[in-house]
Amino acid sequence: QSVLTQPPSVSGAPGQRVTISCTGSSSNIGAGYDVHWYQQVPGTAPKLLIYGNSNRPSGVPDRFSGSKSGTSASLDISGLQAEDEVDYYCQSYDSSLSGWVFGGGTKLTVL
Amino acid sequence: EVQLVESGGGLVQPGGSLKLSCAASGFTFSGSAIHWVRQASGKGLEWLGHIRSKANNYATAYAASVKGRFTISRDDSKNTAYLQMNSLKTEDTAVYYCSKPDSDSSSSKFDPWGQGTLVTVSS
Repeated sequence: QSVLTQPPSVSGAPGQRVTISCTGSSSNIGAGYDVHWYQQVPGTAPKLLIYGNSNRPSGVPDRFSGSKSGTSASLDISGLQAEDEVDYYCQSYDSSLSGWVFGGGTKLTVL
Repeated sequence: EVQLVESGGGLVQPGGSLKLSCAASGFTFSGSAIHWVRQASGKGLEWLGHIRSKANNYATAYAASVKGRFTISRDDSKNTAYLQMNSLKTEDTAVYYCSKPDSDSSSSKFDPWGQGTLVTVSS
């Protein structure tokens, strides 16, 4: 069981918007550590999608946005496209574990 | 271009050992920490541990699941980090990635990642 909790799957129709949640606790997200999001095409390495809670690396479309509040974070994807149908992971640091932690991952299905 | 390339994966019997390498290029390797992360087939990402730079005394930290069995080291003269895995179990079967953090901060992000190397523990 992952320290950061994500829904195993989310879905949406093309053009719609979906939100992927990442729920932590007072020893990780709630302690003020940044949340980062990664996108992973199955069979390939994860790719940084959102960093520092809400920042996009160059080249990432502005359809992707992130936010953080309290002990949770969210990844919003608007204008869904078929190519968005991959896996998404959140990541932060946990002071109780003295290590970095990931969410269990969310598979996005574009209907 | 910052690049990380893992190697050394393969098939190993339970109880055996394996040493993975992470060759880096495109940045000042000696000044950066390196993290190791693994992913079992169909499963999520699991942070394994990291090694900091010489300036930070090559300090290491490990996840509880591998502490005492896995050891991370580095050779700055070769721009390479290593993951020594001992007493391997079938549940250690996974793709192993190395990654570069953007800072020494606990809030650091991992970017980029290597392409991964597959370790299979089976008799």
